[in-house]
Amino acid sequence: RKEVEQDPGPFNVPEGATVAFNCTYSNSASQSFFWYRQDCRKEPKLLMSVYSSGNEDGRFTAQLNRASQYISLLIRDSKLSDSATYLCVVNVGASKIIFGSGTRLSIRP
Amino acid sequence: DAGITQSPRHKVTETGTPVTLRCHQTENHRYMYWYRQDPGHGLRLIHYSYGVKDTDKGEVSDGYSVSRSKTEDFLLTLESATSSQTSVYFCAISPPGTGKEYTFGSGTRLTVV
Repeated sequence: RKEVEQDPGPFNVPEGATVAFNCTYSNSASQSFFWYRQDCRKEPKLLMSVYSSGNEDGRFTAQLNRASQYISLLIRDSKLSDSATYLCVVNVGASKIIFGSGTRLSIRP
Repeated sequence: DAGITQSPRHKVTETGTPVTLRCHQTENHRYMYWYRQDPGHGLRLIHYSYGVKDTDKGEVSDGYSVSRSKTEDFLLTLESATSSQTSVYFCAISPPGTGKEYTFGSGTRLTVV
């Protein structure tokens, strides 16, 4: 079993839709969690950190469920520019950070 | 923008030749990392460094070596390139501690023929 697992997608949704991704992790000692965004042929960039209390940044909401060991990302009112691959990232200790394989999202007009 | 650059951006090399990729940062971050990214595998850690001359192996270190003689430079060497090392290589930097953002370079596309 992979340490961090994501549905690879692709998710193909119309503009304006709400879409959600989940990511599960296996190490219960994981300490911090992030969502990164990666555009085609570009480097990953931090989208948002995921806090125990959940956090929201505009149209994006991230949640953490430690009991079930998953994190989620919700995108509301999706835009064409949201088309990208979303990487779930889990920090399991000093210098050990695990990337999920990514979920591809495609927004259609 | 982010003070991290990789060179070269693209390289084609022949099997059996040594190849060195360079990562340069201007952020004075202590931690530097080399990842490779392949379809279906996501980003996998090759080697990382936690200071000048302090390096350690990641999960896919076989066939790779690294050196860090200065805070700002982290070199990745493929000792004898193989076709299985065809990949996109990303360097990343981060401040120390957990919960810190990683900043990535633009990547190096390496093709071994």
